[in-house]
Amino acid sequence: AQSVSQHNHHVILSEAASLELGCNYSYGGTVNLFWYVQYPGQHLQLLLKYFSGDPLVKGIKGFEAEFIKSKFSFNLRKPSVQWSDTAEYFCAVNARNYGGSQGNLIFGKGTKLSVKP
Amino acid sequence: ETGVTQSPTHLIKTRGQQVTLRCSSQSGHNTVSWYQQALGQGPQFIFQYYREEENGRGNFPPRFSGLQFPNYSSELNVNALELDDSALYLCASSRGSKAYNEQFFGPGTRLTVL
Repeated sequence: AQSVSQHNHHVILSEAASLELGCNYSYGGTVNLFWYVQYPGQHLQLLLKYFSGDPLVKGIKGFEAEFIKSKFSFNLRKPSVQWSDTAEYFCAVNARNYGGSQGNLIFGKGTKLSVKP
Repeated sequence: ETGVTQSPTHLIKTRGQQVTLRCSSQSGHNTVSWYQQALGQGPQFIFQYYREEENGRGNFPPRFSGLQFPNYSSELNVNALELDDSALYLCASSRGSKAYNEQFFGPGTRLTVL
């Protein structure tokens, strides 16, 4: 079965620090990859996605992620975090040939990011 | 444009009871997916409805069932509630059922089973 691993449960950074959140998935076939964010008191929303092409994808609010197929990874990065980036971040995978809905997302457990002003 | 809404916000039930959760999809969306998010976990896919038909199901027992209506709103029904069913239930709507159709999430319904 597919799974998604997020290595850090809680990350605490100071403003202007660089961010990298790890995400690894287990599936040998073609995948679509996503990062979702949930700001305090708000709904889950899509940060960025990768389907094909350039493995470096850019999302909203200065976030980017790099797909490294050989490492089964899709790490999220931001060069300089702000206090407003405090949120929970979820990595998700959709395997194109996996049984079930093509829109089915498999989520990691999430990483809480706290940014100190 | 109205976003995805869910009702009720919170619900408390006892073991063995049945519950119905509701979701109104965003305007123009014909697909609804349901997820269960236990405390400290990521959302887990329950099932998806596309144009009123079930279009995929995760690893959940048959006591989890659903419906989608002609206006594309949806219900999640859970029978014979168990303590482990306590979780946040998320609904997401999208314009289609493919992976490239962005899923827009609602605020969730917090279910507590005592």
